[in-house]
Amino acid sequence: GAGVSQSPRYKVAKRGQDVALRCDPISGHVSLFWYQQALGQGPEFLTYFQNEAQLDKSGLPSDRFFAERPEGSVSTLKIQRTQQEDSAVYLCASSLARNEQYFGPGTRLTVT
Amino acid sequence: AQKVTQAQTEISVVEKEDVTLDCVYETRDTTYYLFWYKQPPSGELVFLIRRNSFDEQNEISGRYSWNFQKSTSSFNFTITASQVVDSAVYFCALSEISQGGSEKLVFGKGTKLTVNP
Repeated sequence: GAGVSQSPRYKVAKRGQDVALRCDPISGHVSLFWYQQALGQGPEFLTYFQNEAQLDKSGLPSDRFFAERPEGSVSTLKIQRTQQEDSAVYLCASSLARNEQYFGPGTRLTVT
Repeated sequence: AQKVTQAQTEISVVEKEDVTLDCVYETRDTTYYLFWYKQPPSGELVFLIRRNSFDEQNEISGRYSWNFQKSTSSFNFTITASQVVDSAVYFCALSEISQGGSEKLVFGKGTKLTVNP
């Protein structure tokens, strides 16, 4: 079956621009997670949705980061006024409740 | 706070050698899950295994085996008869029950494995 998909795969943004990253989870997965992976590091948790409810956003690094999942399926991570330190790979994962997470290919964001 | 340590940053072996990737974790929870993921050069994290903290039985899947020892807080991963296709970064992770009851993952920094022909 289809796995988690993310788009775009690569994004180059000039400092100060807004970006939107999309995640299509596996059909039927109620849980959706966003992680940020800096070069040479392990992924770090950003936020979690259960269906359309954002239950945990403790990992979002600043108020420039915003995520939504309005209909409980597709999710968008938005970064406003991008800065160089936002350059990273943004990974989306989905799972059935309390189960292993399946990851998408990620979006590599480069802020110049 | 939860923490996962993968002390080996990089390992290089020759094909057909056995290799063990170490993982040590810290948690105050009595119930938790441990995971291993593989990240090949393509970048996508591939799920390998999930273990419950109450189940200390070793597990074998083909050339892969995992050794979970609660007494030393370790969850090591061994690849037997390594192959070039095993070359990747391997991450160990620990689940943490967070706000809203999610099982967010806390990852180690990863071990880059290179298998040379």
